[in-house]
Amino acid sequence: EADIYQTPRYLVIGTGKKITLECSQTMGHDKMYWYQQDPGMELHLIHYSYGVNSTEKGDLSSESTVSRIRTEHFPLTLESARPSHTSQYLCASRTGTGIDEQYFGPGTRLTVT
Amino acid sequence: EDKVVQSPLSLVVHEGDTVTLNCSYEVTNFRSLLWYKQEKKAPTFLFMLTSSGIEKKSGRLSSILDKKELFSILNITATQTGDSAIYLCAVELYNFNKFYFGSGTKLNVKP
Repeated sequence: EADIYQTPRYLVIGTGKKITLECSQTMGHDKMYWYQQDPGMELHLIHYSYGVNSTEKGDLSSESTVSRIRTEHFPLTLESARPSHTSQYLCASRTGTGIDEQYFGPGTRLTVT
Repeated sequence: EDKVVQSPLSLVVHEGDTVTLNCSYEVTNFRSLLWYKQEKKAPTFLFMLTSSGIEKKSGRLSSILDKKELFSILNITATQTGDSAIYLCAVELYNFNKFYFGSGTKLNVKP
């Protein structure tokens, strides 16, 4: 079973607040990903990382930022939350060697009022 | 533009029925195709396909890839209410190891 964790699981916050969504994995995976998923819609890649100090933006434009200072940790930050940021955020990781699947965390459901 | 299209978008069947879910793709630098099952939370991995014509099987679920026609199918036989979920198809590209997801097929299995 994959060990990838996200906190908080649910968050309701007011407009303009700064928030950080946490994602940690204990598998030593090099590659980590953040996806945004609206109800009934596909997952959209917003950020990914190949390893420590490596981050890239995904295909979906996002006002969030990420950092990768440690292998196991890949937090996502919104400097000023807006109602349009209301969504589910899924973190995933994979080994990055060979062909293997992504392991997903349980997700954070964010509501911005 | 790279894209992954799943059909149907939703499906309602009765227990015991057999269903076929479709995933077609148009991408550059195809590396693999993956199927996931998503219930209330995070997607859980079902299959990874890299070669055409080789069926992967796990219990009542099976999947196959056609790299010439650029599609994959996921079959579920003798469906059960526990199979109710959204089934996601994702395609991985060689460059940047990115994954593109389809919008999913929502399967509802009625008793």
